[in-house]
Amino acid sequence: DTAVSQTPKYLVTQMGNDKSIKCEQNLGHDTMYWYKQDSKKFLKIMFSYNNKELIINETVPNRFSPKSPDKAHLNLHINSLELGDSAVYFCASSRNAGFSNTEAFFGQGTRLTVV
Amino acid sequence: AQKITQTQPGMFVQEKEAVTLDCTYDTSDPSYGLFWYKQPSSGEMIFLIYQGSYDQQNATEGRYSLNFQKARKSANLVISASQLGDSAMYFCAMSPMDSNYQLIWGAGTKLIIKP
Repeated sequence: DTAVSQTPKYLVTQMGNDKSIKCEQNLGHDTMYWYKQDSKKFLKIMFSYNNKELIINETVPNRFSPKSPDKAHLNLHINSLELGDSAVYFCASSRNAGFSNTEAFFGQGTRLTVV
Repeated sequence: AQKITQTQPGMFVQEKEAVTLDCTYDTSDPSYGLFWYKQPSSGEMIFLIYQGSYDQQNATEGRYSLNFQKARKSANLVISASQLGDSAMYFCAMSPMDSNYQLIWGAGTKLIIKP
């Protein structure tokens, strides 16, 4: 069983399209995150949800909208995709609100390519 | 300012040798966690080891150990008896309490193990 699973692993799409990336964790964790890793490998947090409530919303275009239907899921919907959105997106989860211990895991990443 | 510095953008190491990946951090927070993650070419983010700021002993996990020198604010990762499969990007990260234990990432070190 994969602790944090995100789908799809690869996503190639045209500019202007709308796409979603799904994330599910089976660890019973309270907090889930979305990170973006750019071409220079720099990781930046985008959103964090604790018990389905948004607790972190970094400066991200409002074309990006997270949706948490329940504590185990945090999906990322992106409208009107742009070339600059091409990156690897990681979902993560932690037991508490933050990485205060080892109870924190990342998904395998989704490589998004906008053409 | 809270910051993680990895000064080695890339390293070549002969197989079976030990390797030390440098990480220094800057925080005035007395409570924080330090993490190392491995990102192989397949892209996933794999947790390796964790050190809490109040932990008295250096963390160890199999071939990985964290050389924690609190006064120097360094948290170097030591990999003993390196293997070809250790070739990957390695990221050091810190989670200070002041930032609600959110991860602050280093730029990463690309490690290549030579046969």
